[in-house]
Amino acid sequence: NAGVTQTPKFRVLKTGQSMTLLCAQDMNHEYMYWYRQDPGMGLRLIHYSVGEGTTAKGEVPDGYNVSRLKKQNFLLGLESAAPSQTSVYFCASGPVAPDTQYFGPGTRLTVL
Amino acid sequence: KNQVEQSPQSLIILEGKNCTLQCNYTVSPFSNLRWYKQDTGRGPVSLTIMTFSENTKSNGRYTATLDADTKQSSLHITASQLSDSASYICVVRRTGDKLIFGTGTRLQVFP
Repeated sequence: NAGVTQTPKFRVLKTGQSMTLLCAQDMNHEYMYWYRQDPGMGLRLIHYSVGEGTTAKGEVPDGYNVSRLKKQNFLLGLESAAPSQTSVYFCASGPVAPDTQYFGPGTRLTVL
Repeated sequence: KNQVEQSPQSLIILEGKNCTLQCNYTVSPFSNLRWYKQDTGRGPVSLTIMTFSENTKSNGRYTATLDADTKQSSLHITASQLSDSASYICVVRRTGDKLIFGTGTRLQVFP
C-alpha cells in the first residue's frame, strides 16, 4: 500500500514550457486535491476532484488544468509555465471531503 | 476574512524540553481544527482533529487544545525528541467549505 505518490519529485522548466504532474493513490479514495506551498504562505488549493471524471477550481486555479480520467489518478498540467509557478506541489486524497486528506511527498518545480 | 495565524514562526528547543505552539483563527462558521506535522521534503501528516465540542485531544506526546470561544488552539509537545523537528500546520475547516491552512511553525530540536 503506497498511499499517495507523486511523479516527478523535482523538475526544472523554462518559461513557456509545459509539463504534467502525476498523482496516484491506491486507497480507493473519491476525493483528490492539488495544492501549492510557497514560503511564508499556507497551502493553497489549486484544483480538486470529487470523483472520477470530475474536476473543480480551487483557490488559485489560473495557469493550471487538471484531469481525472481514472479514479486513482489526478493529473495537474501547466500549459505555459511562468516563474510565478515555482513552488512545491502537493497532491492529496481522501475518502470524504474535505476533512480527511492524505498527502503525497510533493513535487518541487522551478521555472526559470 | 477567514484566516489562520500561527505563532511563533520558528522555534528552537533542546531535546527533552516541552514546547507549545499557538494557532488563532477567524474562520466562521467553524467545523473542525486539525494539526498536521510536515517533515522537511515530505507531505503533511495529520496529528489530531478536534470539533467544536472537544477541548483537548492527545496523540502520544502531542496534546492539542481548543478554545472555540476565543478561537484559539495550541499544540503541546512533551519531552521533545530530535524527530519532532518539523513544521507544524494548523488547519481549520469552514462548515460546508474548504480547509484553511496556517503558514506553520518550524520547530527545530537540538541535542
